[in-house]
Amino acid sequence: AQSVTQLDSQVPVFEEAPVELRCNYSSSVSVYLFWYVQYPNQGLQLLLKYLSGSTLVKGINGFEAEFNKSQTSFHLRKPSVHISDTAEYFCAVSGRNYGGSQGNLIFGKGTKLSVKP
Amino acid sequence: DAGITQSPRHKVTETGTPVTLRCHQTENHRYMYWYRQDPGHGLRLIHYSYGVKDTDKGEVSDGYSVSRSKTEDFLLTLESATSSQTSVYFCAISDPIYKPGQRDYGYTFGSGTRLTVV
Repeated sequence: AQSVTQLDSQVPVFEEAPVELRCNYSSSVSVYLFWYVQYPNQGLQLLLKYLSGSTLVKGINGFEAEFNKSQTSFHLRKPSVHISDTAEYFCAVSGRNYGGSQGNLIFGKGTKLSVKP
Repeated sequence: DAGITQSPRHKVTETGTPVTLRCHQTENHRYMYWYRQDPGHGLRLIHYSYGVKDTDKGEVSDGYSVSRSKTEDFLLTLESATSSQTSVYFCAISDPIYKPGQRDYGYTFGSGTRLTVV
């Protein structure tokens, strides 16, 4: 089974500063990795995903993430944040689908990013 | 999101009453999932389905049952609602297999159902 650890529950940062949201995963099989964003009282929006190929993945709104297989990490980064990036961010993992529960999408507990002026 | 709808969007119910939430898809995806979202816990998998009449338990299945009699509908039932089941419930659908060079792979989420048990 897969599991995800988001190392920071809250990350405060000033506007225009860089930010990194950390995510580590555990899995006995090869994985797909995802980052989702949730704005207050809204649903989930996909930021980016790693399926295969290049380990550096670029997503929407200027975010990017790097898959590091040796460190089992998939950290999310943005070089300069805006007030509008204030939201909760979720890292998620699923096993490459061999059938059964390994293909289920498992989420971390989330990181609340608070961007201050 | 387009192709997946949840109903109702909001519901308030009393402790001990049965409640059914519906997830409907028009994408013909094989896999469907029910999650609940609670502060500090992220999204946790309740049940999932890998085909018509094929379902299995997730991480937090106690107190919940599901049914899938058609590809497009996945129902989540709380047989006797409790206050601990107050939550936001999300449905999701996915393609089962990703093959490089072929169609994309991912999960599409519904807009959520906010359930309050009083």
